[in-house]
Amino acid sequence: GQNIDQPTEMTATEGAIVQINCTYQTSGFNGLFWYQQHAGEAPTFLSYNVLDGLEEKGRFSSFLSRSKGYSYLLLKELQMKDSASYLCAVRSTGTASKLTFGTGTRLQVTL
Amino acid sequence: EAGVTQFPSHSVIEKGQTVTLRCDPISGHDNLYWYRRVMGKEIKFLLHFVKESKQDESGMPNNRFLAERTGGTYSTLKVQPAELEDSGVYFCASSRTGGNTEAFFGQGTRLTVV
Repeated sequence: GQNIDQPTEMTATEGAIVQINCTYQTSGFNGLFWYQQHAGEAPTFLSYNVLDGLEEKGRFSSFLSRSKGYSYLLLKELQMKDSASYLCAVRSTGTASKLTFGTGTRLQVTL
Repeated sequence: EAGVTQFPSHSVIEKGQTVTLRCDPISGHDNLYWYRRVMGKEIKFLLHFVKESKQDESGMPNNRFLAERTGGTYSTLKVQPAELEDSGVYFCASSRTGGNTEAFFGQGTRLTVV
């Protein structure tokens, strides 16, 4: 089975940096995804890691350590529009297999 | 390119009634997934189509749920008869075949069973 843990809520200040952690225990692993979801909207893809290390994409970066079952999403230069839920999801074996999600981290960006 | 679209966006039905949710994936995406989020819980996998075939339906809760994807294009998810615990947001997602591609999600259908 799969078990994914991430903090329920976080608060950060506009312009700051925030790190959202995700730990997982899986029976199979073929990549870890981060999605952003604003209330009432579709989850939107942010990043994907399948090998250890850091993937950077603009203000967002994601890190993966497969041996530790650990990932984080780093958001820099926070903006008010970054207030959303951030979902960590693990894909099991196979390039098109299902995603197992964590409960999501609700990030509130304040002035 | 149009995204994944779902219909209806909201549905309120009485216990025992039938509801059919529809998902139109991104054109050319062979993989289509249904997920569900029950209040306060994580998004959970229901099933996966590759074209018109069910690849994995291990997440379907029980036989009151029936998913189809005739012709390998749009998909429907029917709940019959609906129970109170079926309330939640039903998401559809699609992805291309080949390589490590991400899944694109629709906005979801919020189903409320009263």
